[in-house]
Amino acid sequence: SAVISQKPSRDICQRGTSLTIQCQVDSQVTMMFWYRQQPGQSLTLIATANQGSEATYESGFVIDKFPISRPNLTFSTLTVSNMSPEDSSIYLCSVGQGGDIQYFGAGTRLSVL
Amino acid sequence: KQEVTQIPAALSVPEGENLVLNCSFTDSAIYNLQWFRQDPGKGLTSLLLIQSSQREQTSGRLNASLDKSSGRSTLYIAASQPGDSATYLCAALKAAGNKLTFGGGTRVLVKP
Repeated sequence: SAVISQKPSRDICQRGTSLTIQCQVDSQVTMMFWYRQQPGQSLTLIATANQGSEATYESGFVIDKFPISRPNLTFSTLTVSNMSPEDSSIYLCSVGQGGDIQYFGAGTRLSVL
Repeated sequence: KQEVTQIPAALSVPEGENLVLNCSFTDSAIYNLQWFRQDPGKGLTSLLLIQSSQREQTSGRLNASLDKSSGRSTLYIAASQPGDSATYLCAALKAAGNKLTFGGGTRVLVKP
């Protein structure tokens, strides 16, 4: 299994600012995924981050709003830019192992005032 | 486009009763189906994974079945305990290395 560390675990931010969330994995993985979970909702995929290439964004999510970095096979960051209260959510990173089972970090709980 | 549905959205049972959680998906061409548990404000914990070629998986008091032809998976939790109170999510994987499509979850409360 993979152990995933996410930082910060929670934050309260002001409207118009940006927050960068870090995701560290204890083993090398090809693909990392970033999800958003809005209050009372299920998870929605934001983007898939492959090392050495641009992230692939899902419909409704754009790079200017959610820039992603993937500098190596164990680390990725997601930035939530120019935040508004609608961005208040739990953000989770996950990795796939062996191409099938996926493991999740503990999530970052973001509140935007 | 895959759609995953979980009914009911919430369930409350007395301690000791067996739990039955349902998950349905529209596209039967799945690679696997995974069940997760999520405690309030927390991340996801993987419970069981069923490969597309399998009919069921068991771990302790948990048993998950998969019927691809009908597009259904069921999670059974035997002899429920208050510690089982959480939201349970199912997710279908279309292909290896692809994204998961999640259901809306079933929020479970086990009353002592």
